Amino acid sequence: EVQLLESGGGLVQPGGSLRLSCAASGFIFTSYSMTWVRQAPGKGLEWVSSISGSGGATYYADSVKGRFTVSRDPSKKTMYLQMTSLSAEDTAVYHCAKTPHPRILGGTDYFDYWGQGTLVTVSS
Amino acid sequence: EIVLTQSPGTLSLSPGERADLSCRASQSVISSYLAWYQRKPGQAPRLLIYGASSRATGIPDRFSGRGSGTDFTLTISRLEPEDSAVYYCQQYGSSPQTFGQGTKLEIK
Repeated sequence: EVQLLESGGGLVQPGGSLRLSCAASGFIFTSYSMTWVRQAPGKGLEWVSSISGSGGATYYADSVKGRFTVSRDPSKKTMYLQMTSLSAEDTAVYHCAKTPHPRILGGTDYFDYWGQGTLVTVSS
Repeated sequence: EIVLTQSPGTLSLSPGERADLSCRASQSVISSYLAWYQRKPGQAPRLLIYGASSRATGIPDRFSGRGSGTDFTLTISRLEPEDSAVYYCQQYGSSPQTFGQGTKLEIK
């Protein structure tokens, strides 16, 4: 059974940093691209970042480019999202999701499994 | 970027009825790369449809998708109480991939 478990969310001050983790199980971790999608309170879903199965290709939404870094550790079957220079606009539930393909062109794909998400609140 | 507009915003129907949820794109969706997801409170989103009309693994045949270009529809036939959820469409043919704002389906 595929399982994705996010962690690392919490309250952080504007300008601060946070690292989210997504622990994966139930599939061959290196064979599939992974993604972060967020949902701000009262808003829709927004794609944030994607990483290929090998980790060699990464993609970012313009809204987070230069501030967020996605990575993955095959030995731990975990994907990470390092977030810096956070602002109130980054307040959201962050979901990790798995794509059904090892490589994704331009960072776009659909998502066959999702985690429940972890809440990030940026506030003073 | 492609803007997806879902309608109606809220739909209230009775068990056994049929629901038609619309997703309209501001530009043509390449290769009908459109997916539908179901999201229930407190749960992870669930993939229902990809490629506009292909059902994901384990999805009942009550759920069907159709459309191309800029107009897509998710149909749920023979509604059941557990179909109460928010439904989102997503286009993944162009970067950045984008989502609709969602349709809330209420089962009376």
